[in-house]
Amino acid sequence: GNSVTQMEGPVTLSEEAFLTINCTYTATGYPSLFWYVQYPGEGLQLLLKATKADDKGSNNGFEATYRKETTSFHLEKGSVQVSDSAVYFCALSDQAGGTSYGKLTFGQGTILTVHP
Amino acid sequence: SQTIHQWPATLVQPVGSPLSLECTVEGTSNPNLYWYRQAAGRGLQLLFYSVGIGQISSEVPQNLSASRPQDRQFILSSKKLLLSDSGFYLCAWSDRRNYGYTFGSGTRLTVV
Repeated sequence: GNSVTQMEGPVTLSEEAFLTINCTYTATGYPSLFWYVQYPGEGLQLLLKATKADDKGSNNGFEATYRKETTSFHLEKGSVQVSDSAVYFCALSDQAGGTSYGKLTFGQGTILTVHP
Repeated sequence: SQTIHQWPATLVQPVGSPLSLECTVEGTSNPNLYWYRQAAGRGLQLLFYSVGIGQISSEVPQNLSASRPQDRQFILSSKKLLLSDSGFYLCAWSDRRNYGYTFGSGTRLTVV
């Protein structure tokens, strides 16, 4: 079955530091890949996505590239802010060709804390 | 535009009481609908998904059930809650045309 393995946290950084959160996956076919962010007490928000190999998703300084050869989708940001403190989830969808059920498989989440 | 409503936001229920959480979607038709649970810690587990009215698939055996009485309504229920049902429940929908996923704001359930 599908699975997502995420970098263990928590991750603690100083403001303006470089961020990398590793994510690797196991899936059959050609899944779509996602990063979601969850701020304290809230639901999940889509941060970025990539639907095919070599695609780069980006949003608000965050980036991740779909690497089929290494089955990875690592999240990066060049300069983090205190407001980036949240839980980050890597996920994949088994939806392929628009005919499947689109179920999301999540990683365990990585807690990021950014200090001023 | 599409929106998703989930309620209540917080719920405290005694063991053995019934449960009903409701989720509705606006601005789209024939969505895929999902119920996820986030237990203590932060992992997310898919509980149920639905691709149409009356069509429910369960991912894990449990004390919960789901129903979809209307195209854009998804209900999570239990006849008798257990302590282990405590958690953060998230409803989500996806549009099969553009592969997008949108989550509701969640319901924090505490069974006491």
